[in-house]
Amino acid sequence: NAGVTQTPKFQVLKTGQSMTLQCAQDMNHNSMYWYRQDPGMGLRLIYYSASEGTTDKGEVPNGYNVSRLNKREFSLRLESAAPSQTSVYFCASSEFSSGGGYEQYFGPGTRLTVT
Amino acid sequence: GENVEQHPSTLSVQEGDSAVIKCTYSDSASNYFPWYKQELGKRPQLIIDIRSNVGEKKDQRIAVTLNKTAKHFSLHITETQPEDSAVYFCAANTGNQFYFGTGTSLTVIP
Repeated sequence: NAGVTQTPKFQVLKTGQSMTLQCAQDMNHNSMYWYRQDPGMGLRLIYYSASEGTTDKGEVPNGYNVSRLNKREFSLRLESAAPSQTSVYFCASSEFSSGGGYEQYFGPGTRLTVT
Repeated sequence: GENVEQHPSTLSVQEGDSAVIKCTYSDSASNYFPWYKQELGKRPQLIIDIRSNVGEKKDQRIAVTLNKTAKHFSLHITETQPEDSAVYFCAANTGNQFYFGTGTSLTVIP
């Protein structure tokens, strides 16, 4: 049981280049998320997917697109990278618990630098 | 949407002392409040959580309290140890979205 996995761990892009960050979970969770983490700003939601086949914008969606490929996989695409997208990106998944609320688990993160 | 505020942003304590981190939220529909610990270069890890129908929860040296009326919740760490040094995040869950505080960098001085 690997939990939530992400690839790649590190990436350097030049301005204008594109790339896709991959995320997979093996916990059979319905909900998946993409966050970015910048110093002093905590975790900010980019997009989320409540279930297979659905995606919704979060707090900071501009410049990103997502695909919920199946229940396990949720990818994040940067079509034309900008220096402002330099950040650490975390994927997460969650499932509603019988006690109320969604327990959320994070992947190891992708450190992206855009030059 | 929900707004979560977290204080303080940095906290230094002597080993063995207690540490308290406080968060407030704005949406009364939030019903689940997790706390995460993040060590440098690592992923956030869930350390304790509390649901809206509970006022307090304890797990060894860590406890969380929730005041629904005042819309605030707190993390308490007793008998702090150097390995407690990390960044701690609070969050509030509404529906299937999570809203995070901006984090507290805790340093435990040996």
